[in-house]
Amino acid sequence: QKEVEQNSGPLSVPEGAIASLNCTYSDRGSQSFFWYRQYSGKSPELIMSIYSNGDKEDGRFTAQLNKASQYVSLLIRDSQPSDSATYLCAVDRGNRDDKIIFGKGTRLHILP
Amino acid sequence: DTAVSQTPKYLVTQMGNDKSIKCEQNLGHDTMYWYKQDSKKFLKIMFSYNNKELIINETVPNRFSPKSPDKAHLNLHINSLELGDSAVYFCASSQVGGSYNEQFFGPGTRLTVL
Repeated sequence: QKEVEQNSGPLSVPEGAIASLNCTYSDRGSQSFFWYRQYSGKSPELIMSIYSNGDKEDGRFTAQLNKASQYVSLLIRDSQPSDSATYLCAVDRGNRDDKIIFGKGTRLHILP
Repeated sequence: DTAVSQTPKYLVTQMGNDKSIKCEQNLGHDTMYWYKQDSKKFLKIMFSYNNKELIINETVPNRFSPKSPDKAHLNLHINSLELGDSAVYFCASSQVGGSYNEQFFGPGTRLTVL
């Protein structure tokens, strides 16, 4: 089983709709969870961090964490064409080495 | 002000050559990382240094040697370059014990080995 799994997409969402991105992880002891956005040819940019069960909202973005189900999601409300990018889920297992494991990313395409 | 910077941005070289990539961060972080992103866009950790001490050393050929002269700088030297080394190399930094290991990335170095 891969450590961090995401659907590679592409996920196509009409402009103005809600985009829902999902991620599962295998290590039950994982502590911290991150969503990065990566535009083509650019570096990953941290957009959300979440550490406890439940929802965390920041502007149009909501991260959701369910540790019992080992599941993290990112919702993007009122999707804009500028949200078209690859979204990387990343998990810190909380080991001493502070290593973050990245998923392979989901390509999101917002349709104008 | 650039938080994490890397040089060069592009590197094109012949097989067998030796090259270096440099990274600097001005965030005051104590941990720096090297990642490799291959053509399939998979981002994989290679090394990390905490206060000049090597913490993570993944299964990477020993042709790759990181060096951290101080906690704001992390360099990557690659010997005897091979075609398979072509990728984008990202430097990142974080503050261990700070904001839950949030890592911030540099702009990347696109390495092409011919």
